[in-house]
Amino acid sequence: KAGVTQTPRYLIKTRGQQVTLSCSPISGHRSVSWYQQTPGQGLQFLFEYFSETQRNKGNFPGRFSGRQFSNSRSEMNVSTLELGDSALYLCASSFPPREIPDTQYFGPGTRLTVL
Amino acid sequence: GQQVMQIPQYQHVQEGEDFTTYCNSSTTLSNIQWYKQRPGGHPVFLIQLVKSGEVKKQKRLTFQFGEAKKNSSLHITATQTTDVGTYFCAGISHNTDKLIFGTGTRLQVFP
Repeated sequence: KAGVTQTPRYLIKTRGQQVTLSCSPISGHRSVSWYQQTPGQGLQFLFEYFSETQRNKGNFPGRFSGRQFSNSRSEMNVSTLELGDSALYLCASSFPPREIPDTQYFGPGTRLTVL
Repeated sequence: GQQVMQIPQYQHVQEGEDFTTYCNSSTTLSNIQWYKQRPGGHPVFLIQLVKSGEVKKQKRLTFQFGEAKKNSSLHITATQTTDVGTYFCAGISHNTDKLIFGTGTRLQVFP
């Protein structure tokens, strides 16, 4: 099976702009989670989508939003970018038969730089 | 809120030395997962432990889940340069069913 794919891999934006990142999960996986990774803060959970519904949410401001489509593909949007949003954004998919998170299969990430 | 801390934050070892990272949660966990992230890469799932006191081995790696299901450890015997990377634990909170990643331990191995 193909792994989790994320596009774009690299992105440079300026403050105040908005950005949309895309994630295609492993075929058959219905759960998609997003994480922000920075050197100082480690892996921070943004949100999880399951069957097009946001199931869990981390402690990020409303500028961070996401959605999931019927084919399980997911997008993440960040509006009004700030310098502190520069990070590696990781998407992970899982195949949870239960209602709790399962093994996370990570994509390669999108490296976002905000100037 | 729930926190999952790992110690040490960094560890430099000589090739052949052993290495251990400890994962401690402020709340009881339903299970514990371990991931490895190579430099420039993404986290890759290593193993999952579910039972209290469980111990699992993968070649030179030994994983333990504490009796109280609030802590875990990863021990690497006779490290190799291929072990370089950051090791993350991740636990599902027994209360909230949320998966929380630990702060990570970065391992550097000198040949």
